[in-house]
Formats: sequence, structure tokens, C-alpha cells
Amino acid sequence: DTEVTQTPKHLVMGMTNKKSLKCEQHMGHRAMYWYKQKAKKPPELMFVYSYEKLSINESVPSRFSPECPNSSLLNLHLHALQPEDSALYLCASSHTPTGFGNQPQHFGDGTRLSIL
Amino acid sequence: AQTVTQSQPEMSVQEAETVTLSCTYDTSENNYYLFWYKQPPSRQMILVIRQEAYKQQNATENRFSVNFQKAAKSFSLKISDSQLGDTAMYFCAFMRIANAGGTSYGKLTFGQGTILTVHP
Repeated sequence: DTEVTQTPKHLVMGMTNKKSLKCEQHMGHRAMYWYKQKAKKPPELMFVYSYEKLSINESVPSRFSPECPNSSLLNLHLHALQPEDSALYLCASSHTPTGFGNQPQHFGDGTRLSIL
Repeated sequence: AQTVTQSQPEMSVQEAETVTLSCTYDTSENNYYLFWYKQPPSRQMILVIRQEAYKQQNATENRFSVNFQKAAKSFSLKISDSQLGDTAMYFCAFMRIANAGGTSYGKLTFGQGTILTVHP
């Protein structure tokens, strides 16, 4: 069982819809990540939150809006998406690095998003 | 910038045999971490094994072991006694500690992946 829970598992939406993806972890991790993954490709980093603050936005279009309401929860709000945004969206979490501590990222199952 | 190269897009192996997946990387960093992740068709990205660059001893996790050659910047994964459940896409990943917004985080760079099929 995954320790990072993502909902919904599947989402189909039109280009004018507004929807949200949710990610939750209870491992005490203070770093959380959103990735986008196309079929048979590696994940691409979108956003990084550290201590509930947005640390990294990898030049993601504004139609994707992340939110970190508390240390356990990460949302990705979607609005006016394009067909090319269809992909698997993965959430991950990790402890924040201390010194050179080994802090692997733990991934959720992802949300498979289809834009009509 | 870091790059990670997995030169084998696809591999296949018979059940119970051994297979090695290759990975090379390029970096100017001295302190970093290396991981192998497995992504089965069920799509969850599962951590298989990890290696700290400052450790000379190769990591081992049950049937999974790595051959880490720091000077050659090589990090191959050996799977012994392959099982049908090992069928998946395998990603090699390099992680360095990055700083942004006053905090630090682990920045992962993935290879392109190797699709491994285990045949009965």
C-alpha cells in the first residue's frame, strides 16, 4: 500500500472545467512535489513545496495552480486545460534534506488525467 | 546540469534468471544520491534501492543489488532470481540537494527508463 494517497485515480474533464487533484501523506514529510508524466517517459517536476511554501515552479503554465493548505495535504487546481495536458500526475513527498541525509521521495499512485 | 542515461530502452529475461540494467550519469557534484525506481503497469513509482555517493559499498536489497562505479559515473541494477512481478519500467534517478526560497529539497533527475519484461 502506498503511503502517499492521491485522489481521484482517474479524471476526465473538458477544457472549460475546473477540477482539483488531491495528495495526502502522514509520514511527517515537509517537502512535497508534483510531477507530470507522459506515457513511457520519466516524470517531469512541476512544483516543489517545502514547509508549506512554494519553493519551485518549473515554469508551469498558470492553468495549473498548486496549493499546500497544511503539512499533510497538497492540491493541484486545474482550470482551462489543453489536450496536451493529458497525462499521469504524480505526487511525491520526502523529508527535507538535513546535511547530506539520504531522503528519497515516496510517490503516490497518480491521477490519470484526460482532457477532452 | 545533471544528465542520466539509460541505454537500454527494453530488456527481457526468463523467470529465475539474472538481468542487469545499466545507468550512467554526468555531474560535477561530489555529494549526491542515486536511486532505482520501479513503475509497474499499476503506475505507482516504487523505490527499489538507493545509494549514497560517499559510500563505496554497493547497496543490496534482497534480490536487488547495484554496481556503483563513482569514477566511471555508472550505477547499474542487478536483479537476481527474476520474478514475474518484476515486470515494470525501471528508472534510474540522480538526486542532489538543491536550495530555493530559503529551504532545501532533493532535486531528482530521471533517466529515460528501461522496460523490463520477465517471461515465464
